[in-house]
Amino acid sequence: NAGVTQTPKFQVLKTGQSMTLQCAQDMNHNSMYWYRQDPGMGLRLIYYSASEGTTDKGEVPNGYNVSRLNKREFSLRLESAAPSQTSVYFCATRRQGNTYEQYFGPGTRLTVT
Amino acid sequence: QQQVKQSPQSLIVQKGGISIINCAYENTAFDYFPWYQQFPGKGPALLIAIRPDVSEKKEGRFTISFNKSAKQFSLHIMDSQPGDSATYFCAASNSGGSNYKLTFGKGTLLTVNP
Repeated sequence: NAGVTQTPKFQVLKTGQSMTLQCAQDMNHNSMYWYRQDPGMGLRLIYYSASEGTTDKGEVPNGYNVSRLNKREFSLRLESAAPSQTSVYFCATRRQGNTYEQYFGPGTRLTVT
Repeated sequence: QQQVKQSPQSLIVQKGGISIINCAYENTAFDYFPWYQQFPGKGPALLIAIRPDVSEKKEGRFTISFNKSAKQFSLHIMDSQPGDSATYFCAASNSGGSNYKLTFGKGTLLTVNP
């Protein structure tokens, strides 16, 4: 039972390159979230998916796209990376129903040069 | 627009002391107030949470105090230990149209000296 896994753990990109961050969960949770964490800024929601087949924008969606491939997987894509996207990215899940707790993955540290 | 304001940014406490972190919110629709703990290189993990129908919740050495009229809540860590050294985030959510999204404070880096 791995919980929430994220790949890769670290990544360095050049400006303009693209990449996809992967998130997978084995908790059978319906909702999944992508956050970015920057020093002194807390965690800010990029996109979320309430259930398989649905996605919605969060607080800072510009420059990102997401895909909810199935119930287990939720990917975050940077089409043309910019230095401002240097951050630590966290995926989180929440089970269905009237529950609030979110379970976070270990994060992906992305540097864009 | 920052909906959850957290203070202080950093805090240094001696072992055995009390650590206090404060948060204030603006949206009166929030109905769930968690605290998350994050160790270096790890993802945040839920530490303790409170609903607005109670003024205090205690779990071991960790207590949330909640003041609905002032729209403030705080985390108290009693008998602080070096192992408590971490970043703490307050957050708020509501179960309505926001789909349980969490709005986080900016975090407090707690250092407990031995």
